[in-house]
Amino acid sequence: GDSVTQMEGPVTLSEEAFLTINCTYTATGYPSLFWYVQYPGEGLQLLLKATKADDKGSNKGFEATYRKETTSFHLEKGSVQVSDSAVYFCALRNTGNQFYFGTGTSLTVIP
Amino acid sequence: DAGITQSPRHKVTETGTPVTLRCHQTENHRYMYWYRQDPGHGLRLIHYSYGVKDTDKGEVSDGYSVSRSKTEDFLLTLESATSSQTSVYFCAISGAGDRGLSGANVLTFGAGSRLTVL
Repeated sequence: GDSVTQMEGPVTLSEEAFLTINCTYTATGYPSLFWYVQYPGEGLQLLLKATKADDKGSNKGFEATYRKETTSFHLEKGSVQVSDSAVYFCALRNTGNQFYFGTGTSLTVIP
Repeated sequence: DAGITQSPRHKVTETGTPVTLRCHQTENHRYMYWYRQDPGHGLRLIHYSYGVKDTDKGEVSDGYSVSRSKTEDFLLTLESATSSQTSVYFCAISGAGDRGLSGANVLTFGAGSRLTVL
């Protein structure tokens, strides 16, 4: 079945460090891919998305590129801030409009 | 939360009692979902609905039932709650033309309902 695998956390970085969170997927057909972010005590919010191969999603300095050949959608940010501390979820939407999520990666950014 | 409200937001109950969580949307979206979030498991789909009275099971549906008699409401029922159902439950909606970053269908989440079964 369809699934998403993302790197285990927690991840702790100093402010202004480079961030990469790895995500790979398994799906039939051509899924859409997403990154969601969850701040403490809140629901998940869409961070960025990509709907086809080689698309790059971007938002708030975060980027991820849909790589069909490696079935990956890694999240990157060049310079993290304390306010980026949150849990990040990689997700896919299949052709049946079902969404599957990874287990989440907790990020803590220290000043 | 983009027109999604969940109730109750917090509930403590005892093993064996029935519990119903409600999700209400004002976006007129076709698809509605119930997820549970647990440490180490991320989000797991319980049930989803693709229209009024049209529902289907997700990956962790045992012990749960749902109903959708109106477009705007999606109810999740635990007929006899167990301690393993202690979790945070999230409702989400999806539909063509969602507001979001652009274009295609995305999921929009409610704020969550924290359920503790003693």
